[in-house]
Amino acid sequence: EAGVAQSPRYKIIEKRQSVAFWCNPISGHATLYWYQQILGQGPKLLIQFQNNGVVDDSQLPKDRFSAERLKGVDSTLKIQPAKLEDSAVYLCASSLSPGGYGYTFGSGTRLTVV
Amino acid sequence: GQQLNQSPQSMFIQEGEDVSMNCTSSSIFNTWLWYKQEPGEGPVLLIALYKAGELTSNGRLTAQFGITRKDSFLNISASIPSDVGIYFCAGPYNNNDMRFGAGTRLTVKP
Repeated sequence: EAGVAQSPRYKIIEKRQSVAFWCNPISGHATLYWYQQILGQGPKLLIQFQNNGVVDDSQLPKDRFSAERLKGVDSTLKIQPAKLEDSAVYLCASSLSPGGYGYTFGSGTRLTVV
Repeated sequence: GQQLNQSPQSMFIQEGEDVSMNCTSSSIFNTWLWYKQEPGEGPVLLIALYKAGELTSNGRLTAQFGITRKDSFLNISASIPSDVGIYFCAGPYNNNDMRFGAGTRLTVKP
C-alpha cells in the first residue's frame, strides 16, 4: 500500500513569514496526526484528527499554528507567522482508528526558519 | 506531562556486538512501543508490547515490558551496519497522545 505522503520535503523561510505543509494519509485511515520533532528530541503531538474532526489539539500553539482536514482525507498544517523556534521536522502519521498503535509516519517536512 | 527517559543517549558499537537500551517513566504505561528512525525518514514501528512482563521478538530485536509497567527494554543481537538509527520508546497518554522518549542514537562501526 502507498505510504503517508508529505510535501514539501524541505522548506526554508524567514521569521515572520507563513508556511504550509500538506499530508495525504494512507487510504482508509480515519485518524491523522501532526507531530513536531525538534532536533535531538522525540516527536511531539500537535494535533489529532478523526475523519474531519479534531480529537486533540491541546499542544498546538493556536496563536500561530492551524490545521485542517476538510474532507476527512488530506490535511494541511500552517504556521503564521513563523518563529525561529519553529525550526523542526513536521511529521504526519495516520492510523485506522484512534488508539490503533500501528501508526504509519510520513517522511516529514524539514522546516528551517532563519 | 508524562516523561519518557531513554538511556543511553547514544551508543557506538562494533558490528556483531549486542545492544541494550531502556526507557523509564515516572508513571505507569499500559502499552510500550519501540520505533526506529533513519535519517530523513519518519519513525517506523518495530515492536509493540501490551502486557506487563511480556517479552516479544522481531528478528534480532527483543523487547520487554517491565513488571512495574514503568519501564521497557530493547535488545539488538549481533548488530549490523543497517541497525544504525535513532531508537525511540513511546507510550500512549490518555489513549490519544503518543508520548516519545528523546531517543537512543545507535552507531555501528563495520
